[in-house]
Amino acid sequence: RKEVEQDPGPFNVPEGATVAFNCTYSNSASQSFFWYRQDCRKEPKLLMSVYSSGNEDGRFTAQLNRASQYISLLIRDSKLSDSATYLCVVNIYNTNAGKSTFGDGTTLTVKP
Amino acid sequence: DAGVIQSPRHEVTEMGQEVTLRCKPISGHDYLFWYRQTMMRGLELLIYFNNNVPIDDSGMPEDRFSAKMPNASFSTLKIQPSEPRDSAVYFCASSRDMGWPQHFGDGTRLSIL
Repeated sequence: RKEVEQDPGPFNVPEGATVAFNCTYSNSASQSFFWYRQDCRKEPKLLMSVYSSGNEDGRFTAQLNRASQYISLLIRDSKLSDSATYLCVVNIYNTNAGKSTFGDGTTLTVKP
Repeated sequence: DAGVIQSPRHEVTEMGQEVTLRCKPISGHDYLFWYRQTMMRGLELLIYFNNNVPIDDSGMPEDRFSAKMPNASFSTLKIQPSEPRDSAVYFCASSRDMGWPQHFGDGTRLSIL
């Protein structure tokens, strides 16, 4: 079993739809979590951090469920420009070292 | 502030040649990461440094790959000799601390013929 797993998709949705992605992680000691967005042939870019209390940034909402060991990303009122691959990242660390594990990504295509 | 800067953006070279990729992290970031991305294998962590010291190089594929960080503002990833299967996009990323988000450079698109 992979340490971090994402549904690869693709998710094909119409403009204006609401879409949600999940990312499960296997290590219960995981400490910090992020969502990244990667456009074709570009570098991953930080989309948002995921906090225990959940957080929202415009049309995007991220949530953490420690009991079930998953994080989620909800996109409301999806735009054509939201088409991309979304990567989750799970971190474990101590004072001097740690491990940062990226999921393989979920591909979203928003269609007119 | 300037982001992570990688060079070259593109590299095409023949099998057997030495390839050197360069990275300048964001100032003040103590951690530097080298990744490789291909369609087949996704994003793979090759090595990371903390305060210029290599911490985990378990992702380096084989002895042909080496990485150095001589100071806080510069790192290199070297492949010698290069092989066609090394063709990929190589990303450098840096972060303020472990557990903080990483910021990626534009990547180097490497093609070995």
